[in-house]
Amino acid sequence: GAVVSQHPSWVICKSGTSVKIECRSLDFQATTMFWYRQFPKQSLMLMATSNEGSKATYEQGVEKDKFLINHASLTLSTLTVTSAHPEDSSFYICSADSSYEQYFGPGTRLTVT
Amino acid sequence: QQQVKQSPQSLIVQKGGISIINCAYENTAFDYFPWYQQFPGKGPALLIAIRPDVSEKKEGRFTISFNKSAKQFSLHIMDSQPGDSATYFCAASVFGGTYKYIFGTGTRLKVLA
Repeated sequence: GAVVSQHPSWVICKSGTSVKIECRSLDFQATTMFWYRQFPKQSLMLMATSNEGSKATYEQGVEKDKFLINHASLTLSTLTVTSAHPEDSSFYICSADSSYEQYFGPGTRLTVT
Repeated sequence: QQQVKQSPQSLIVQKGGISIINCAYENTAFDYFPWYQQFPGKGPALLIAIRPDVSEKKEGRFTISFNKSAKQFSLHIMDSQPGDSATYFCAASVFGGTYKYIFGTGTRLKVLA
C-alpha cells in the first residue's frame, strides 16, 4: 500500500515553455501532498505544501507564479513549471501524506534546453 | 533551529559490517523521526521511523537509536550488504497542521562486496 506515482518520469523541454508534472496517490487519499526539488548529490528541498481544495503554501524563496501547484482531488496534485529556463532543470519529487507519514513518488527529471 | 545535521557525508563499509549514520537536531518540538533510503534516479523510500517516547526501534537489519536528552538519533544497518548501497536521509517533523519534514543532508553509503 501507500503507492505514489509521478508522470512523466522524465521530460525535456525548450526554454520558455511550460511543463506539467502529475503526482497521484494510487491506493489512498491524500489531503496533503508535498513538492520537493533535488539537485545532484544534494538533499531534498521542500518547495511547497499542497492541500486539497485550497491554495498551496510555498516555502520562502520559491516563486509561486513560476511553480504553479494545483491539488484538485484527494489523489492528484500537479506542479506546472511555467516559462521554464535551464536553471529549472532538476529532479522534482512529490510526496503524499498518509496518517502523518510521507510516501514519495519516483521523481521526475526535468531538463530545460 | 529548524536544521537537522547529518553525518557522515559518505561512508564505506565492508560487506557484513555495521553502517552507522548519525543525525542531530535542535528543535525540541520535533516529534517524528523517519529515515529514508534513496537509490540514484529514484524517489526516497521510507525505511524506518521512531517517535520520541521510544529509545530504540528495530526492523530487520535496521535499527534506530534515539537519545532525547542529547537530541540525537542514529541509524544502524547490521550485516550491511552491497544492495544497501544508497543515499540515506534522516528527517524530523514539526506538526504544524501537517507533518512537514526537515531533511538531513544525506549520507552516501557504499558497501563493498
